[in-house]
Formats: sequence, C-alpha cells, structure tokens
Amino acid sequence: AQSVTQLDSQVPVFEEAPVELRCNYSSSVSVYLFWYVQYPNQGLQLLLKYLSGSTLVKGINGFEAEFNKSQTSFHLRKPSVHISDTAEYFCAVSDHGNDMRFGAGTRLTVKP
Amino acid sequence: NAGVTQTPKFQVLKTGQSMTLQCAQDMNHEYMSWYRQDPGMGLRLIHYSVGAGITDQGEVPNGYNVSRSTTEDFPLRLLSAAPSQTSVYFCASSPRTGRTDTQYFGPGTRLTVL
Repeated sequence: AQSVTQLDSQVPVFEEAPVELRCNYSSSVSVYLFWYVQYPNQGLQLLLKYLSGSTLVKGINGFEAEFNKSQTSFHLRKPSVHISDTAEYFCAVSDHGNDMRFGAGTRLTVKP
Repeated sequence: NAGVTQTPKFQVLKTGQSMTLQCAQDMNHEYMSWYRQDPGMGLRLIHYSVGAGITDQGEVPNGYNVSRSTTEDFPLRLLSAAPSQTSVYFCASSPRTGRTDTQYFGPGTRLTVL
C-alpha cells in the first residue's frame, strides 16, 4: 500500500521568509499527490494536486509543489509567507485504489 | 450551498455506548469517506463509499459501521465506544472517486470516550 512521510512535524518561520514543507511517498505504482491545509478548528481544504503532466504544480495562496519521481518527493514551497499561512499542512497520496493516505502533518507557524 | 455538514460538533460518550455521527452533502457527489484525525498520525481512512449502496473498508475500520442508502447521507456508527476511539472525525466527499478528485471536508466532530 502507498504511504506518506512528512519529514518535519513543525516548521517555524518569520513573516516574508521562504518556506519548504517536505513530503516523501512510497508506492509501487503511479501515484497522485495532494497537499491539503487545515486552519485551526476547521476541516481540510485542497491547496494543490499533481495528477500528470508538468511536474511543477501551482496552487492557491501562492503555494507550489514539485513532483520528483526519482526522489519520490512532493515538497511544498512558498517564496514569502504571511501570518495567515499559519496552519497545519498535510501531504496525501493515492494510487489505483480509492483509499487516500495522509501524512502525519506539518505545523507551520509564521512569526511576525 | 451548505457543502459537507456534520453533526454533532462535540460528543462525550461512556465506554460501551453506541452512537451515530451524521454526514450529509448537497453537491451530488458520488464518493464519500470518513477519516479520524489523531495527534501525530494525520488522517486515517475508516470507511468509504463510491455510490449509494456501495461501501468499503479503509485503513482502520474496526469498531465502526457505515451504510449509504442515499447519495446525500453517509452516517458512521460506533457500535460499542472505546477510549481508543477518542478522536476528531471528518467526513469528506468528492465528485466521483477518492483517487484523483478534490475531496471536500466537513467541519469535524470531536468525540471523547470516557
């Protein structure tokens, strides 16, 4: 079965600094990759997803991610973060089945 | 447009009690799913459904039952609650599949089992 590892449980960063949230996956077949964001006391919402085609995927709120098949990674980046980006971020993977697997999450804290 | 709704928002149960968490969506989505969220473990899939009358198990199905009699509703039943089921439960839906479609999440139900 597919699985996801988010390499950092917490990432503190200052406002307007760049940030990278790391995600590695394992699967024996082709995969579909997602990043979701969860603001405090809310459900998750989609930031971006990779299904096929260009390996650089742009999402909402200025985030982007790059699919790297050789390194089995799908890292999320933003060149300049805002206080409002403080949230928990989840990487997720699915393959041929209908069950999506989520990582443990990375808590991004943006400090003024 | 309400999206995905869940009731109740909070619930406290005693060990051995049963209850049903309600989930409804008004987007005519075929795929619906239930996840539990625990600290340090992310979201884990409990059960999912690809359409009315069709359900299947996810990663952690033990202790939970589901049914899908209509497209709109996907209730989750705890048969005999245990402290290990203390968690936040999220329902989600997507247009067709859980494989490639964006999933739309409800606001969650926070369950405590004493």
